[in-house]
Amino acid sequence: DGGITQSPKYLFRKEGQNVTLSCEQNLNHDAMYWYRQDPGQGLRLIYYSQIVNDFQKGDIAEGYSVSREKKESFPLTVTSAQKNPTAFYLCASTNSRSGNTIYFGEGSWLTVV
Amino acid sequence: QQQVKQSPQSLIVQKGGISIINCAYENTAFDYFPWYQQFPGKGPALLIAIRPDVSEKKEGRFTISFNKSAKQFSLHIMDSQPGDSATYFCAASMEYNFNKFYFGSGTKLNVKP
Repeated sequence: DGGITQSPKYLFRKEGQNVTLSCEQNLNHDAMYWYRQDPGQGLRLIYYSQIVNDFQKGDIAEGYSVSREKKESFPLTVTSAQKNPTAFYLCASTNSRSGNTIYFGEGSWLTVV
Repeated sequence: QQQVKQSPQSLIVQKGGISIINCAYENTAFDYFPWYQQFPGKGPALLIAIRPDVSEKKEGRFTISFNKSAKQFSLHIMDSQPGDSATYFCAASMEYNFNKFYFGSGTKLNVKP
């Protein structure tokens, strides 16, 4: 089945540590996104990528980094510079052929310990 | 500046009742308005969407009403069921820039049996 796979589902990070969240899609979508969701709040855009080897900052990019070396993959690194990283992270993808529909993965919970 | 404003933040409805969630936007260039449903610990999933050339779209118990002049759109859930209990997000995007989606802050719906 086509879809977006995020891993791991749960991740614990120690203070000062970098962690990477994986996102893989087999929908052949051009555009991929990372959103952050805090409890009881909406979705905030971290980074997005429209094509391979190109990505743009979203509204809350500070303390995060991404790469887009393959069309299918868009990993997110939460660096030690991100002061409050505990949140639910959602990867998504879309393209013009999906009729503007944005598809989401199942999400990854990151907790700082 | 919040591009899409959503209300209420939370909603309690009795089984069989009508749930109504409202959204307002500012940018008249938006031309695609989807609603997403999110269950706890899961990624949002597309529920129903509308374009501004129609004033209403219905799919089963779910209806979007769209008022272009007022720059408002709403989701109506008829005969609400406990299984509808979830968080609902409205969103807006532009066809020529389908990579940018603007989400509302979400409404947590609780349908009581």
